[in-house]
Amino acid sequence: KQEVTQIPAALSVPEGENLVLNCSFTDSAIYNLQWFRQDPGKGLTSLLLIQSSQREQTSGRLNASLDKSSGRSTLYIAASQPGDSATYLCAVRRSGGGADGLTFGKGTHLIIQP
Amino acid sequence: KAGVTQTPRYLIKTRGQQVTLSCSPISGHRSVSWYQQTPGQGLQFLFEYFSETQRNKGNFPGRFSGRQFSNSRSEMNVSTLELGDSALYLCASSLGGGPYGYTFGSGTRLTVV
Repeated sequence: KQEVTQIPAALSVPEGENLVLNCSFTDSAIYNLQWFRQDPGKGLTSLLLIQSSQREQTSGRLNASLDKSSGRSTLYIAASQPGDSATYLCAVRRSGGGADGLTFGKGTHLIIQP
Repeated sequence: KAGVTQTPRYLIKTRGQQVTLSCSPISGHRSVSWYQQTPGQGLQFLFEYFSETQRNKGNFPGRFSGRQFSNSRSEMNVSTLELGDSALYLCASSLGGGPYGYTFGSGTRLTVV
């Protein structure tokens, strides 16, 4: 059974800092890994999608890497801003028969202090 | 391009009642999946539909069911509601299986009293 772990569970940093969020998964048989952000009481906003054959993806100040063999992904946020405050979730899509949708981590609750 | 639309946004139901939630996927997306989000369990997969057929199902009791229509719109039904069913229910659409990513709706907040 696929399990996804995110570390840290919570993080509070001053504005302007660069930061790294970590995600690990137990089964490397995946199609892809997706990073989302969720604002309180809202749905999920997709940030980056990395296919299993890719090593990284970039969008603006965000960079996500994937090391499928070790079951790890990181989300790097450059020059953090108060508007980045949210919960960040990573999810993997398992490949193979009987795939069961996305498996999510519990998220990292991020607070950027002005 | 319209996103994933979920209705209603909020619902309050009494224990024992049933409820139906609706999801309209992004135009052209044929896969719709449903997730339950609670503070204790996080996000859990309920089921996924593709071209009107249930493709996968998570570990939820039979009180949770769904269907997908020919226009790809999907509904989720929960019968005999329990207090523990209070959650944010999220719908996601995708082009299909394999490497495609998911786009989520804003969710339906269900409160069972």
